[in-house]
Formats: sequence, structure tokens, C-alpha cells
Amino acid sequence: AQRVTQPEKLLSVFKGAPVELKCNYSYSGSPELFWYVQYSRQRLQLLLRHISRESIKGFTADLNKGETSFHLKKPFAQEEDSAMYYCAAGARNTPLVFGKGTRLSVIA
Amino acid sequence: DVKVTQSSRYLVKRTGEKVFLECVQDMDHENMFWYRQDPGLGLRLIYFSYDVKMKEKGDIPEGYSVSREKKERFSLILESASTNQTSMYLCASSPGGSPFYNEQFFGPGTRLTVL
Repeated sequence: AQRVTQPEKLLSVFKGAPVELKCNYSYSGSPELFWYVQYSRQRLQLLLRHISRESIKGFTADLNKGETSFHLKKPFAQEEDSAMYYCAAGARNTPLVFGKGTRLSVIA
Repeated sequence: DVKVTQSSRYLVKRTGEKVFLECVQDMDHENMFWYRQDPGLGLRLIYFSYDVKMKEKGDIPEGYSVSREKKERFSLILESASTNQTSMYLCASSPGGSPFYNEQFFGPGTRLTVL
């Protein structure tokens, strides 16, 4: 079965510290990987996706096919990064599978 | 900007009632989705539709049905609401092509409480 695992429910870091939100996937074929974010009182929105290879709001994510991981990283956390983050994997004919989410709390 | 709207932000219903959740998107997207979002469980797909009058079951379709009579509108129906259907319901849409390779645009959510 397709599966996306985010091992941390809650991650607390100090402002200015590096951040890494972990995501591992178990997926047949070649899935497309996404990170979605939900800020307080806002709707869920796409943060970045593997195929774009962009850096959004200072975040990057590297796909490691050997480890089947797609960890989200930022070198210096900011208070406005506090949010719920979901990793997701999708394939051409297979519904998107979301992880259970990691709540990031950036402490001033 | 893509706009996905949902008919209610908060809804309170009684057990056994028939409940309609409405979703409208204004960007001419072919694909539309209904998810439920629960703490500790993440997002789970209930149903999706890739065209008018077409629907496909997601991971948790039991107790739900959907309707897509017009391209811009996708309705989720709880035939007989139960307390375990208390949840946040999210609607999303995405452009044509593979439903699951494209970015999905989400509505603000409807928090449904079934008493």
C-alpha cells in the first residue's frame, strides 16, 4: 500500500535554528512528492513540489530515492514558519496520499 | 487566484440527518476532491471527480456519496450523519490531466459536528 510517514507530530525549534521536517514514503513506481502547509486560520496550500526544484520561503526539499525520503529543510527558522506541514505523494493514476502532518513551532 | 469556496465554515447536525456540503471552484478545473482532516490522521480522501458526472472512491467512501452535475460544483452528501463523521471537511480542485500530479487548491474547510 502507498504510504507517507512523517515521524514527528510536533517539532519545536528556536528562531534562527535550522529546521528539518522528515518525510518517508513507500510508493510503487515514480511518485511526485509535495509539501503542503497550513498556517493558523488559513487554508491548506502547496509549499513546494519535487518536480519544480524551487526554494519557497527559504525551504528546500531533496528527494532521496535510495532512502525514499523527501525531507523539508530551512537553514534559519522564522516565527512565521510556525504551521502544520503535510508531506504528500501522488502518481499518475493513484490518489494523493498525505502524511499525518508535523506541527512546527518556532520559538522566539 | 484560484478560488475554492465551501458553503459553510461551521455546521452542526443531528445523528441521522442528511447533510449536504457544497464546494465551488471558479478556475474551470477538471478535477475536484473531498477530504476529511482529523488530528493525528492527516488528510484522507473520500471521493474525487475528474469530470462532470464522473466520480471515484477514495480511501474512506463509506457513509458518503458525491454529486457533480456541473464542472464548477462538487457536493458531498452524508446520507445519514453519524457522530464519527464529526470532522473538518476540505474540498480541493486541480487542473486537468493527472489528478494527482498537479497542485491541488483547497477551500477553507467546513467543520461539521454531528450530535
